[in-house]
Amino acid sequence: DAGITQSPRYKITETGRQVTLMCHQTWSHSYMFWYRQDLGHGLRLIYYSAAADITDKGEVPDGYVVSRSKTENFPLTLESATRSQTSVYFCASSESTGGFGTEAFFGQGTRLTVV
Amino acid sequence: TQLLEQSPQFLSIQEGENLTVYCNSSSVFSSLQWYRQEPGEGPVLLVTVVTGGEVKKLKRLTFQFGDARKDSSLHITAAQPGDTGLYLCAGADAGKSTFGDGTTLTVKP
Repeated sequence: DAGITQSPRYKITETGRQVTLMCHQTWSHSYMFWYRQDLGHGLRLIYYSAAADITDKGEVPDGYVVSRSKTENFPLTLESATRSQTSVYFCASSESTGGFGTEAFFGQGTRLTVV
Repeated sequence: TQLLEQSPQFLSIQEGENLTVYCNSSSVFSSLQWYRQEPGEGPVLLVTVVTGGEVKKLKRLTFQFGDARKDSSLHITAAQPGDTGLYLCAGADAGKSTFGDGTTLTVKP
């Protein structure tokens, strides 16, 4: 199906474990983003990518790693999960950075709980 | 870090009422977007405003971008229960978008 999909939708993991959240888009958009959304907060940018093999830090990158070997995939890895990383994670893609108003398309989110 | 402040944080009104939510910043943005998010879903774009002073209408929703491109407002006329959701503004500049914390709107029938 066309669009942007995230997996898994729900994940429970233990403190200290490594966990990877997957994001796949079928539009061949250049830009992809990872955000986290916490209660009482909007979306905070973790990492973004302008193209394959190009990634950059966002507002809250500590504890996360990303890669972009293929245009359509942008996995987010928590190297050693902590309780503070319990959140809903959203992946998004767009044709540009949004500097001139290009729409960002969001996935349905992954709800991650670290116990 | 550029900050976007949205107000009010929560708003509960009766069907048929009008409302306005605000998005303010001390920074200038090249464009500003409004998104609506429903529970369990990702945000969906409602509108993008680019020019200072710009006004856009989307059915019962009216969006305005401040003259200085630092603030924006969303006005809903005759709100309906289907308008219930989280409204997020996002300012774009230098390649990244910064989101406000959102306004949670509840419209009671």
